[in-house]
Amino acid sequence: EAQVTQNPRYLITVTGKKLTVTCSQNMNHEYMSWYRQDPGLGLRQIYYSMNVEVTDKGDVPEGYKVSRKEKRNFPLILESPSPNQTSLYFCASSRDGVSGNTIYFGEGSWLTVV
Amino acid sequence: AQTVTQSQPEMSVQEAETVTLSCTYDTSESDYYLFWYKQPPSRQMILVIRQEAYKQQNATENRFSVNFQKAAKSFSLKISDSQLGDAAMYFCAYRSEKWGSGNTGKLIFGQGTTLQVKP
Repeated sequence: EAQVTQNPRYLITVTGKKLTVTCSQNMNHEYMSWYRQDPGLGLRQIYYSMNVEVTDKGDVPEGYKVSRKEKRNFPLILESPSPNQTSLYFCASSRDGVSGNTIYFGEGSWLTVV
Repeated sequence: AQTVTQSQPEMSVQEAETVTLSCTYDTSESDYYLFWYKQPPSRQMILVIRQEAYKQQNATENRFSVNFQKAAKSFSLKISDSQLGDAAMYFCAYRSEKWGSGNTGKLIFGQGTTLQVKP
């Protein structure tokens, strides 16, 4: 079954404590990205990756890091989380970054920073 | 830069009736894709329907259809025979067909419309 898996699904953490949200896809997709969803703002892209070892900033990258060492994995790293990073996060993957091919989303990760 | 606007924060419909959700977008590009996603209370993102800009024919998926007006930059979603399971937030989204010049392969989302279905 084609899927994008994110972990953890729910997390409450404290300000400044580093955390990583993992993302893995089983479809051999080249393109992966992270979004955050906030009320009234829809989803906004944080970072994206065209392929292994190729990553770049999206629209709201401040406070986040990513890596793409393997094709299937694209973790999101919050080195020093702050309360304004409390949000719902989605990992997504697709065959490439320019076509209308199906974009698969993970189930989302609720992150609360206190 | 491209933008997507959903001007209806909330809509309601009676079960079995028809409802139309509005979406407008702004772009200078001619080649792109438009999507409607459904987000139920589980928060999962579910693709409802997809439209290629080069196609004049409106996309249809069972009870879901779109009215794509390229010149007007309008992309509305019509849900026929509404069911209780249609209750969700609906997002309109845009994706460029070109890479570069700010196009990063991202989906550009509207603010969302919450649809309530009344029994």
